[in-house]
Amino acid sequence: AIQLAQSPSSLSASVGDRVTVTCRASQGIASALAWYQQKPGKAPRLLIYDASSLESGVPSRFTGSGSGTDFTLTISNLQPEDFATYYCQQFQSFPSFGQGTKLEIK
Amino acid sequence: EVQLVESGGGLVKPGGSLRLSCAASGFPFSSFTLNWVRQAPGKGLEWVSSIRDGPSGVHYTDSVKGRFTISRDNAKNSLFLQMNSLRVEDTAVYYCARGEAGRPFVYWGQGTLVTVSS
Repeated sequence: AIQLAQSPSSLSASVGDRVTVTCRASQGIASALAWYQQKPGKAPRLLIYDASSLESGVPSRFTGSGSGTDFTLTISNLQPEDFATYYCQQFQSFPSFGQGTKLEIK
Repeated sequence: EVQLVESGGGLVKPGGSLRLSCAASGFPFSSFTLNWVRQAPGKGLEWVSSIRDGPSGVHYTDSVKGRFTISRDNAKNSLFLQMNSLRVEDTAVYYCARGEAGRPFVYWGQGTLVTVSS
């Protein structure tokens, strides 16, 4: 099974900041990676697919990059609604998720 | 509008059984792979099972093999998860999600809570 290691597990930031979350796969997955945002009590929301493609309706301040084993999610100009937990997911083989990154307000 | 609505969660004792359902609408149900994803309280997401149209398209995560059975009724646009021999560690919110093999999960239900406790 392909394992995903996300870092950091949590981070604090302020409105207007730029933050980066990383996701490392245990083996190469080309660009078969997605990023999700989850708020408490809600289902995950797809933000980025194929490592860098923005899902329809997602603000352009969210960007994804990477391929192979190393990936990043960058959120620019943080907005109050962005404080949530973020997960990476690989879909190269049977799906698996990273352990999550909780983004909190500083 | 795509909608996925789970039901069937509840409190069950260890060793017990529960059957989850997911009612789908807004898309050609039989054409898509459906998945169950769970999230233990305060924990991350875990893919549980997926089903394509046909018996050869069924897959499970190792921890539920032999205990859980995924199925679908295309005539009723419904997905099911029969959960037997439940363990405390199966306690989670269970989500139904639409996603093809090799593609991410765009559509999710609201989830149904399964609590396994004596």
